[in-house]
Amino acid sequence: NAGVTQTPKFQVLKTGQSMTLQCAQDMNHNSMYWYRQDPGMGLRLIYYSASEGTTDKGEVPNGYNVSRLNKREFSLRLESAAPSQTSVYFCASSEHRVGAGRAEAFFGQGTRLTVV
Amino acid sequence: KQEVTQIPAALSVPEGENLVLNCSFTDSAIYNLQWFRQDPGKGLTSLLLIQSSQREQTSGRLNASLDKSSGRSTLYIAASQPGDSATYLCAVNSGNTPLVFGKGTRLSVIA
Repeated sequence: NAGVTQTPKFQVLKTGQSMTLQCAQDMNHNSMYWYRQDPGMGLRLIYYSASEGTTDKGEVPNGYNVSRLNKREFSLRLESAAPSQTSVYFCASSEHRVGAGRAEAFFGQGTRLTVV
Repeated sequence: KQEVTQIPAALSVPEGENLVLNCSFTDSAIYNLQWFRQDPGKGLTSLLLIQSSQREQTSGRLNASLDKSSGRSTLYIAASQPGDSATYLCAVNSGNTPLVFGKGTRLSVIA
């Protein structure tokens, strides 16, 4: 019963390097999300995908790009990493249709990223 | 813009005590409210989900209530245990919008 799986769990990047964080869910959810968590700031939404084929910006999208590869997978790309992107990144998914009732969100275990 | 506030930011209680964590939100037009638990260095675990038409949900020693009109929710933990020590997060969404989180309450239960 995997739920939401994120890879990698830890990563250290040098300033200017690029990388892609991977996320996959096995619950057949239509919506997926990327959040970052910083001390004192709580969880903030970076990007989300309400359904396959759509993506929308969240509160803090600058410096990031996303791809909804298929219904299961939603990746987050840092094109040129900066120290300000040092954070813990969480992927989440939910079944979210207006009028559909329960829309519980489930989270992955996180990716701890350090940019030096 | 929806804002979620959790009070207190930190709480320390002796084992066995009943306790209440508070969550407030500025826009009462919510669809769901969800309580999560986060252990240090770990992901978020969903505890309870309350739909806007519901007043409360219970799971074991946990009871969450929702007063949508006043923009408030409480998480009641009965007979607290050291294993309950964690950060508790409250989050709300409206319609198709993603969850908006509070900054959490860090709970320590002392044996």
